[in-house]
Amino acid sequence: DTAVSQTPKYLVTQMGNDKSIKCEQNLGHDTMYWYKQDSKKFLKIMFSYNNKELIINETVPNRFSPKSPDKAHLNLHINSLELGDSAVYFCASSQMGGARNTEAFFGQGTRLTVV
Amino acid sequence: DAKTTQPNSMESNEEEPVHLPCNHSTISGTDYIHWYRQLPSQGPEYVIHGLTSNVNNRMASLAIAEDRKSSTLILHRATLRDAAVYYCILRENNDMRFGAGTRLTVKP
Repeated sequence: DTAVSQTPKYLVTQMGNDKSIKCEQNLGHDTMYWYKQDSKKFLKIMFSYNNKELIINETVPNRFSPKSPDKAHLNLHINSLELGDSAVYFCASSQMGGARNTEAFFGQGTRLTVV
Repeated sequence: DAKTTQPNSMESNEEEPVHLPCNHSTISGTDYIHWYRQLPSQGPEYVIHGLTSNVNNRMASLAIAEDRKSSTLILHRATLRDAAVYYCILRENNDMRFGAGTRLTVKP
């Protein structure tokens, strides 16, 4: 069983479209994250959720809206896609409120290509 | 954003030990030092973490300086599969920020 799973793995779409990436974890964790890795390979945190509550919202455009229907899921919806949104998006989870001494588990990533 | 400094790249020979350094001079007393690695085309993978004492697990060892301003990840016998980008991170609650990491190349 995959601990943190993301769907889809690849997503190719046109500019202006709206798309969603789903993330599910079966580890019983209470904290989930979204990261973006751009073409230069820098991993940047976008959002952090603890018990379905938004904790961190980095300077991400409003077009990005995370939704956590329950503790096991954190989906990322993106409106009006732009070329610059092309990247690999990683979901992650950790336990105990994302405490400093806990490890995070990452999904395999979703490669989004906007054309 | 990252509070750590690592060399951009390092090389190692297969089956030899590798010491990956990390500087974190602004570390606070409650920050844990975490190491993750990212293999090609995969998500980051947890390696090890520690607070003050040296730590060992099946993957690696973590040596933490007495003043905690630096640490070293030790791979005891590098294999080709260990070729990856290694990230040293100061872990905060609900937050984990990655720097540029060290790209480790393992030569056969």
